[in-house]
Amino acid sequence: DTGVSQNPRHKITKRGQNVTFRCDPISEHNRLYWYRQTLGQGPEFLTYFQNEAQLEKSRLLSDRFSAERPKGSFSTLEIQRTEQGDSAMYLCASRDSGELFFGEGSRLTVL
Amino acid sequence: QKEVEQNSGPLSVPEGAIASLNCTYSDRGSQSFFWYRQYSGKSPELIMFIYSNGDKEDGRFTAQLNKASQYVSLLIRDSQPSDSATYLCAVRASGGSYIPTFGRGTSLIVHP
Repeated sequence: DTGVSQNPRHKITKRGQNVTFRCDPISEHNRLYWYRQTLGQGPEFLTYFQNEAQLEKSRLLSDRFSAERPKGSFSTLEIQRTEQGDSAMYLCASRDSGELFFGEGSRLTVL
Repeated sequence: QKEVEQNSGPLSVPEGAIASLNCTYSDRGSQSFFWYRQYSGKSPELIMFIYSNGDKEDGRFTAQLNKASQYVSLLIRDSQPSDSATYLCAVRASGGSYIPTFGRGTSLIVHP
């Protein structure tokens, strides 16, 4: 499989817990993006990596959110002290020189 | 705030008709324009991109761009029930990193 892979696909957690999502991009893609999508809305940009460098962060990315991309390969998005408002689909996308290719997303439900 | 606006719909068309989806954007210097299709519960998939004013055709799909009016549209000819999905417009603004901004999407329903 050469697509963007995200894990876990679904996560249900209680408010206040920490969660971590993983994204494995298409192997030759050096650019990786995280977006968040809530019901009835389009994807909202969170952060962007080129190789291991985090080049852009949205103001949506509060201090409870952290993203890493060690060695420029897979990426993780961690949310600390989750809140009900964090419930959303977290989408990862990667690109080389062309368009974005999205993974299937990780759906977070915060109870 | 760079914005991309779409009517959320739903847009309902009969099978075989032309579906017309519209999008406006606020950043006049925007360079690249994309249409993504998203089925319920699935991730967005790219169906068209356009960079220059005018029309671009790919099979049953035609993207139209008018930079002066800051308007991009997607026409779907001979609409099929399988085209029923949410269509997301995305715009890459001028300058800075390559970060597409998405509209909220238009829900299309093609009924037999």
